[in-house]
Amino acid sequence: DSGVTQTPKHLITATGQRVTLRCSPRSGDLSVYWYQQSLDQGLQFLIQYYNGEERAKGNILERFSAQQFPDLHSELNLSSLELGDSALYFCASSVAAVRTDTQYFGPGTRLTVL
Amino acid sequence: SQELEQSPQSLIVQEGKNLTINCTSSKTLYGLYWYKQKYGEGLIFLMMLQKGGEEKSHEKITAKLDEKKQQSSLHITASQPSHAGIYLCGAPTGNQFYFGTGTSLTVIP
Repeated sequence: DSGVTQTPKHLITATGQRVTLRCSPRSGDLSVYWYQQSLDQGLQFLIQYYNGEERAKGNILERFSAQQFPDLHSELNLSSLELGDSALYFCASSVAAVRTDTQYFGPGTRLTVL
Repeated sequence: SQELEQSPQSLIVQEGKNLTINCTSSKTLYGLYWYKQKYGEGLIFLMMLQKGGEEKSHEKITAKLDEKKQQSSLHITASQPSHAGIYLCGAPTGNQFYFGTGTSLTVIP
């Protein structure tokens, strides 16, 4: 158990809908990262937050957004969902903001868009 | 962008055999991470290498970093069924973090 929690574990929704994925980092970690893992794209970095502020952006679509709250938990919002958004979404956390800091991953949320 | 190529893509070995997985970067490495993933589950951190020539071991898994070749290798000695899974290398570049395509390891009892 990494100490990073994600909810829900599974999510099934329809195209065009909007969903919110939630992540709680390890105790003491200030950085949260979001990743998308699909069969064709592999594991892709989406976005990083550090202590409530956006720190880095990767291959995140405009339909997706994220935020980190004062209690350091983070949410990833996915809107206007398409079939191709079906994937495993992971969050990871680390102590600091530097990219060389070890990231600990949560168990993931499996999103299925029908 | 960074590309991390892993080889082989998949590996099937008999229990007790040794094996090596390679990760080659298209850019200079400023740290290399190895993770293990069971299918559909989260990634488990194995080890991190930061300096050229660095070698780390954990139980029967050893990883090395060759900075000049922009390459890292992960070696498993006397493999066991518990070693089965997908091994992923990852590296930071600029303000992003990239992962390799993964190596799927099957260990036959």
